[in-house]
Amino acid sequence: ETGVTQTPRHLVMGMTNKKSLKCEQHLGHNAMYWYKQSAKKPLELMFVYNFKEQTENNSVPSRFSPECPNSSHLFLHLHTLQPEDSALYLCASSQGRGEKLFFGSGTQLSVL
Amino acid sequence: GESVGLHLPTLSVQEGDNSIINCAYSNSASDYFIWYKQESGKGPQFIIDIRSNMDKRQGQRVTVLLNKTVKHLSLQIAATQPGDSAVYFCAERVSGDKIIFGKGTRLHILP
Repeated sequence: ETGVTQTPRHLVMGMTNKKSLKCEQHLGHNAMYWYKQSAKKPLELMFVYNFKEQTENNSVPSRFSPECPNSSHLFLHLHTLQPEDSALYLCASSQGRGEKLFFGSGTQLSVL
Repeated sequence: GESVGLHLPTLSVQEGDNSIINCAYSNSASDYFIWYKQESGKGPQFIIDIRSNMDKRQGQRVTVLLNKTVKHLSLQIAATQPGDSAVYFCAERVSGDKIIFGKGTRLHILP
């Protein structure tokens, strides 16, 4: 166990659905991240939060909406996704900004 | 047309031999580098890190070498074991928050 828990592990959704991915870290870290891992590209940084404030948005389409209510929880709200958004979505946390990342096991998302 | 998956370089190593995985990083201003291991069905797992003011760092059975002149990073695994079979990623910190990953190398252990 890495101390970072992601739910659900698997998600299948239609293009008109709205769903949310959840991440929780039990490490007392201050920074949290969303990465996308697809079969076609290396891990892509999506968003970074540091002390609940968003510090990085890597040109992510607005159909992905992150939320960080506190330093331990991170959400990724999804709506009107496209089939090409199908991927493994990984959450990570770190003690400080840009430090060693601890990853969860990811949510495998399939958009039909 | 047919979609093509990301082609990962593969390194096949005999069990017990040493493995060397290489990585070329992109940004000469990057100041911190990390190696990760990803097994099937899991997220990437930290192996070892190195800051740009160093050129070598050793851990348990692993060594990372950094050559800033040619922007090259390598991971050496001593006495490779079946449990080392995974995809290995190098990552670099290009700015305060931003850590970006390379494409990865698949390490295959031969019995």
